[in-house]
Amino acid sequence: AQTVTQSQPEMSVQEAETVTLSCTYDTSESDYYLFWYKQPPSRQMILVIRQEAYKQQNATENRFSVNFQKAAKSFSLKISDSQLGDAAMYFCAYRSAVYGNKLVFGAGTILRVKS
Amino acid sequence: GAGVSQSPRYKVAKRGQDVALRCDPISGHVSLFWYQQALGQGPEFLTYFQNEAQLDKSGLPSDRFFAERPEGSVSTLKIQRTQQEDSAVYLCASSLARTSGGDQETQYFGPGTRLLVL
Repeated sequence: AQTVTQSQPEMSVQEAETVTLSCTYDTSESDYYLFWYKQPPSRQMILVIRQEAYKQQNATENRFSVNFQKAAKSFSLKISDSQLGDAAMYFCAYRSAVYGNKLVFGAGTILRVKS
Repeated sequence: GAGVSQSPRYKVAKRGQDVALRCDPISGHVSLFWYQQALGQGPEFLTYFQNEAQLDKSGLPSDRFFAERPEGSVSTLKIQRTQQEDSAVYLCASSLARTSGGDQETQYFGPGTRLLVL
């Protein structure tokens, strides 16, 4: 079974600075998808960024980018120019490309943004 | 609104009561998922529908949990004889389709139903 590990329960960043959230996963599959979801307090989860495992190029979405290291099974999220609205719980998630399409989530990282 | 909606948003039940949680997916979305999120944890998969067919129920924790989607749109998650360990946020998500790659597989989440069993 696949597992996703987020080793940082909580992170802090100063407004306008850059922060990196870590994620590692375990799988024997070669084709899969990886996601970062953001869950603000008392609000619903939204997709931040996705990465297809077959793509070598790291995904980017405006201030958000990933560092995908397939061999190391690592998938970190970099947030540049942090804003107060980035404060939330961030979840890393895995989905098989072949066997079912449920998401397997990590335990999450709370990101606090200081003004 | 065009998003996934869930009702009720909050539910308090006495231990032993039955509860029913509703999910309205985004119109036209074929796939529907239920997840359970314990306090301070990541969501855990419960079950998955493609249209009205329940294709995966491997995450349902016991036979007290039952889900249905009879007409391929609205879904209901029912929990019978609730226990304190059932207290959690229940999230519903939908996606347009199950294809190989692309945004059609992106799961869009509802706001969740927070269930507290006393």
